[in-house]
Amino acid sequence: DVKVTQSSRYLVKRTGEKVFLECVQDMDHENMFWYRQDPGLGLRLIYFSYDVKMKEKGDIPEGYSVSREKKERFSLILESASTNQTSMYLCASSFNPGEVLKEKLFFGSGTQLSVL
Amino acid sequence: QQQVKQSPQSLIVQKGGISIINCAYENTAFDYFPWYQQFPGKGPALLIAIRPDVSEKKEGRFTISFNKSAKQFSLHIMDSQPGDSATYFCAASDTGTASKLTFGTGTRLQVTL
Repeated sequence: DVKVTQSSRYLVKRTGEKVFLECVQDMDHENMFWYRQDPGLGLRLIYFSYDVKMKEKGDIPEGYSVSREKKERFSLILESASTNQTSMYLCASSFNPGEVLKEKLFFGSGTQLSVL
Repeated sequence: QQQVKQSPQSLIVQKGGISIINCAYENTAFDYFPWYQQFPGKGPALLIAIRPDVSEKKEGRFTISFNKSAKQFSLHIMDSQPGDSATYFCAASDTGTASKLTFGTGTRLQVTL
């Protein structure tokens, strides 16, 4: 089974701290994504990456950055955490099997981040 | 702005009943429409997906109905079971792939005995 592992299930940080959320996938997937999930807002794409050293902004990149130094690892960085970044963060990976209806995102279990 | 609008926000259905969740979209460039299922404490998982060249797709008890002219699509769960109790998200993409999905706001489904 594909496994997408997020380093922490729960995280509590102080306003202004630099926060690192780590994600590792074990299936050699090219594509990796960071979403945040908020009640009533669904999942919103923060950043994604199609290859090592490559990154693209999603719909809500402000206040975040990412790093992909190795194919299996995709890190989300909150440069200076703020209370409005309190959320559930979900990492996902995918590959393109050549048939779109067979393509899918594999999600990790999420990191619930609280910024106090 | 919410590009994919999902309703209802929550739904209670009796065991054996039909659960229906609706989504509407605005972007006519969307060409891939998946549904994801999320259980508490887990990440979402792909349930079923459709391309706009067909009006319906069925996989077991789950069916997607797609109305291109109305820019609407819906998930029907036949013979709903307590194990179907979860949050369901519709999504859409204009890349023809699972990349850069725009998700709906989610529907929490509870199937009662």
